[in-house]
Amino acid sequence: QVQLVQSGAEVKKPGASVKVSCKASGHTYTNYNIHWVRQAPGQGLEWMGIIRRSDGLTIYAQSFQGRVTVTGDTATTTVHMELSGLRSEDTAIYYCVNERDHSFYFDEWGQGTPVTVSS
Amino acid sequence: QPAPAQPASVSGSPGQSITISCSGSSSDVGTYDFVSWYQQHPGKAPKLLIYAVSNRPSGISDRFSGSKSGNTASLTISGLQSEDESYFYCTSYTTSRTYVFGTGTKVTVL
Repeated sequence: QVQLVQSGAEVKKPGASVKVSCKASGHTYTNYNIHWVRQAPGQGLEWMGIIRRSDGLTIYAQSFQGRVTVTGDTATTTVHMELSGLRSEDTAIYYCVNERDHSFYFDEWGQGTPVTVSS
Repeated sequence: QPAPAQPASVSGSPGQSITISCSGSSSDVGTYDFVSWYQQHPGKAPKLLIYAVSNRPSGISDRFSGSKSGNTASLTISGLQSEDESYFYCTSYTTSRTYVFGTGTKVTVL
């Protein structure tokens, strides 16, 4: 059973950066991808980006280009998502999500990390 | 990438069937059969219900079914139950190699 455990809640000031981590465990297959999805209060889900474990390839949603960086540490099976230039609209719960490679769906979700941006 | 449109809310009585639409474009839903559906109860992480348009993961009730025609995918919930009251989101792979979530639908059981 795949498990994704995320780092704890963060409070940041506008203009700062936040780095959220996601430790993956329980994979019985080699290749998987980790996605990042966020949900602002009372709003829907928004896809942010993906990192492929097999080769470290990253793809980001256009709306986050230049502000988001996703990195992976294969030794610790931990993925990090860093979002810079924070503004109040970035206040949201950030989820890391598992996709078995080439499955094109999200089968396991982390518990979510609340990020609050406030002066 | 505009989000596929879903009705903001759908309601039904216990035992009834309801259908939630997910209207995308030729850049996402219309091109790929990589449409999946997720259920989210308030305060919880989303949960996979349907993948590849119409496939159910093990453990998901057969009351949930999916289909697609052209640029629109649909999720049908039959035999509506009180525990189905929650939010539902579609998502699709896109021609930009990204993913896009639908706008989300709140289901109310009357």
